[in-house]
Amino acid sequence: KQEVTQIPAALSVPEGENLVLNCSFTDSAIYNLQWFRQDPGKGLTSLLLIQSSQREQTSGRLNASLDKSSGRSTLYIAASQPGDSATYLCAVRPWTDKLIFGTGTRLQVFP
Amino acid sequence: DAGVIQSPRHEVTEMGQEVTLRCKPISGHDYLFWYRQTMMRGLELLIYFNNNVPIDDSGMPEDRFSAKMPNASFSTLKIQPSEPRDSAVYFCASSLYRGGNTEAFFGQGTRLTVV
Repeated sequence: KQEVTQIPAALSVPEGENLVLNCSFTDSAIYNLQWFRQDPGKGLTSLLLIQSSQREQTSGRLNASLDKSSGRSTLYIAASQPGDSATYLCAVRPWTDKLIFGTGTRLQVFP
Repeated sequence: DAGVIQSPRHEVTEMGQEVTLRCKPISGHDYLFWYRQTMMRGLELLIYFNNNVPIDDSGMPEDRFSAKMPNASFSTLKIQPSEPRDSAVYFCASSLYRGGNTEAFFGQGTRLTVV
């Protein structure tokens, strides 16, 4: 059974720091991995999608990497800003096609 | 496209009442997912459809829950009768199968409160 874990559960940092959020999964048989952002009381916004054949994806200050063999992904946020404060969720899509989510990392960036 | 549209955004109902949540997926998407989010359990997949056909409903908690997708542009999740422990945010998501490049897009959710 696929299980997805995210570490840390919560993170509080000053503005300007570079951050690394971690996601691990137990079964490497996946189509892709997706990172989402969720603001309080809101839906999920897709940030990055990494296909199983890819090693990383970049969008602006965000960079996500995937090491399928070790069951790990990292989301790197450069030069963090208060507007980055949110919960970040990773989700893997196994060959069964359903998205399986981690428990999330709650990030707070203070000025 | 307007994205995945869910209605209502908020629903407050009394225990024992029937509740129907609605979802309009992104046009052309062939997968539709229903998730439930709570503080205790995070995001749980309830059921998903492919081309309007239910593929996996193993996450549906009880017979009180049912979901339908009568056509490619509409799905419902029904709870009958509702109970206080059903209080949660229910999300609908859709995606297009492309052999792996299957980014999922979520609606804004329906916050359900059963009193």
